[in-house]
Amino acid sequence: GAVVSQHPSWVICKSGTSVKIECRSLDFQATTMFWYRQFPKQSLMLMATSNEGSKATYEQGVEKDKFLINHASLTLSTLTVTSAHPEDSSFYICSARDPSSSGNTIYFGEGSWLTVV
Amino acid sequence: QKEVEQNSGPLSVPEGAIASLNCTYSDRVSQSFFWYRQYSGKSPELIMSIYSNGDKEDGRFTAQLNKASQYVSLLIRDSQPSDSATYLCAVIGGTSYGKLTFGQGTILTVHP
Repeated sequence: GAVVSQHPSWVICKSGTSVKIECRSLDFQATTMFWYRQFPKQSLMLMATSNEGSKATYEQGVEKDKFLINHASLTLSTLTVTSAHPEDSSFYICSARDPSSSGNTIYFGEGSWLTVV
Repeated sequence: QKEVEQNSGPLSVPEGAIASLNCTYSDRVSQSFFWYRQYSGKSPELIMSIYSNGDKEDGRFTAQLNKASQYVSLLIRDSQPSDSATYLCAVIGGTSYGKLTFGQGTILTVHP
């Protein structure tokens, strides 16, 4: 079964509103989670690294005030898209590393489709 | 030069054939290498991970890593139509912990 769960799987919102996406690690504690965005026919682009108990680290070009990340516990990170616009419509995917696994096994959530109308 | 680059696709192979997917990376101190499969509209699914030079086999899949050449590949034997998907090569660089950098993906189609 899934070890990283995202919710919601898909969401439609009006332009100007905010949307929150949750990412949970189900079987392990994740001090670090990652948020990616994927536009159609493109690869995954890392948006930010979510650190439990501290501020997220954003990749170049990603607006931290628009994409709010909160990692309040070892099993939950949230991404809030604020004042969403149609160009924010995308597939958002989180991932987490299982520290108890050998190597650096990274598990992905199921992804969340966001459509801004 | 892109950090992680995959051979251009799409790649089309007949059912039962071997599909070969290639990937090069630029960060010489990268330590961890992964192949993910992604079906349309779905999240990536881990197929193989490899950390040391040589071959690693898992069922019909074989990953090959050559750190000197900064090259990693994935072979799929006895390809099935259900293998048709986008295959993503991903690398964890030497200075990033858990931060995956993806290639652009190679679309594989296995036709009956």
